Amino acid sequence: AQTVTQSQPEMSVQEAETVTLSCTYDTSESDYYLFWYKQPPSRQMILVIRQEAYKQQNATENRFSVNFQKAAKSFSLKISDSQLGDAAMYFCAYRNWDSNYQLIWGAGTKLIIKP
Amino acid sequence: NAGVMQNPRHLVRRRGQEARLRCSPMKGHSHVYWYRQLPEEGLKFMVYLQKENIIDESGMPKERFSAEFPKEGPSILRIQQVVRGDSAAYFCASSLDRGSDTQYFGPGTRLTVL
Repeated sequence: AQTVTQSQPEMSVQEAETVTLSCTYDTSESDYYLFWYKQPPSRQMILVIRQEAYKQQNATENRFSVNFQKAAKSFSLKISDSQLGDAAMYFCAYRNWDSNYQLIWGAGTKLIIKP
Repeated sequence: NAGVMQNPRHLVRRRGQEARLRCSPMKGHSHVYWYRQLPEEGLKFMVYLQKENIIDESGMPKERFSAEFPKEGPSILRIQQVVRGDSAAYFCASSLDRGSDTQYFGPGTRLTVL
């Protein structure tokens, strides 16, 4: 069975600086998707970024980028130029490529932005 | 261009009552997923439905919980005879089709059982 682990319950960063959130996963599949979702205090789950495992190039979305290391089964999220609005819970999630379409979630990392 | 809609946003029930949670997927989406989030935890998959079909219910408790997605109308997650342990946030997500990788989430329903 696949698992997702986020080892940092909480992280803090100074506004305008860069922070990296860690995520590791376990799977025997070779093709899959990985996601980072953000959950602000409103509790809405918002997609931040996605990565297809077959792509070697790391995904980027404006200030958000990932470091995808397939062999190490690592999928970290880097947030550059942190803003107060980035404060939220961040969840890493995994999904198989073509079967068992449920998302499997990590426990989350609470990101605090210091002004 | 409405997103996934869930109602109610907050629901309070007494032990033994029934809870009905509704989810309207994004326009054009025919696949719905339900997840449960306990306090301080990540989401846990419950059930995956397509119109009029349950595709995967491996995450659903065997008793008291049921889900449907009729041809017309929203998807319904029903919890009968609620207990305090059912208190959680219940999220619905939708996708365009089975192969779509991205699931779009609604705002969730927070269920409190007194």
